[in-house]
Amino acid sequence: GNSVTQMEGPVTLSEEAFLTINCTYTATGYPSLFWYVQYPGEGLQLLLKATKADDKGSNKGFEATYRKETTSFHLEKGSVQVSDSAVYFCALRPTQGGSEKLVFGKGTKLTVNP
Amino acid sequence: NAGVTQTPKFQVLKTGQSMTLQCAQDMNHEYMSWYRQDPGMGLRLIHYSVGAGITDQGEVPNGYNVSRSTTEDFPLRLLSAAPSQTSVYFCATRTGASNQPQHFGDGTRLSIL
Repeated sequence: GNSVTQMEGPVTLSEEAFLTINCTYTATGYPSLFWYVQYPGEGLQLLLKATKADDKGSNKGFEATYRKETTSFHLEKGSVQVSDSAVYFCALRPTQGGSEKLVFGKGTKLTVNP
Repeated sequence: NAGVTQTPKFQVLKTGQSMTLQCAQDMNHEYMSWYRQDPGMGLRLIHYSVGAGITDQGEVPNGYNVSRSTTEDFPLRLLSAAPSQTSVYFCATRTGASNQPQHFGDGTRLSIL
């Protein structure tokens, strides 16, 4: 079946540190891949997406590249800020079997200290 | 621009009570979905709809009913609440294109005593 595995948190970094949150997936075909961010007390917001192999999604300094050969979609940011503290979810939408069955990872909580 | 509006934001129920969680959107999106979020479980799909009059089950549909009489509204009904349904519930919408992301509401935090 389809699944998403992301690194377990929590992750604690100092401001301006480099961030990587690993995400790997299992799916048939070519799923669409997403990173969502959830700030405290809020719903999920789309951070970035990629819909085909080698696509790079980017937004607000975050980047992730769709790697078909390693079935990965790792999230990176070169210099984190305190305002980046949130929970990050990797997700995929399968290409078959129901396009609404968005599959989420369990989330990674990031805390950035000043 | 309201986007996706969920009401109420918080609710406490007793076991066996019924209630309806409301979700309304003003973006004319065809697809609407309900998820629950539990610690260590990520988000799990409960029910979804691809248009008015059409609904289908997701990953964890038991104990929940939905209907979609209009494009704008997609209520989630708990007929007889159980403590296992204590969770945060999110409604999400998107357009019909398969590579488009979902837009989430701010959630309803539900506690069943």
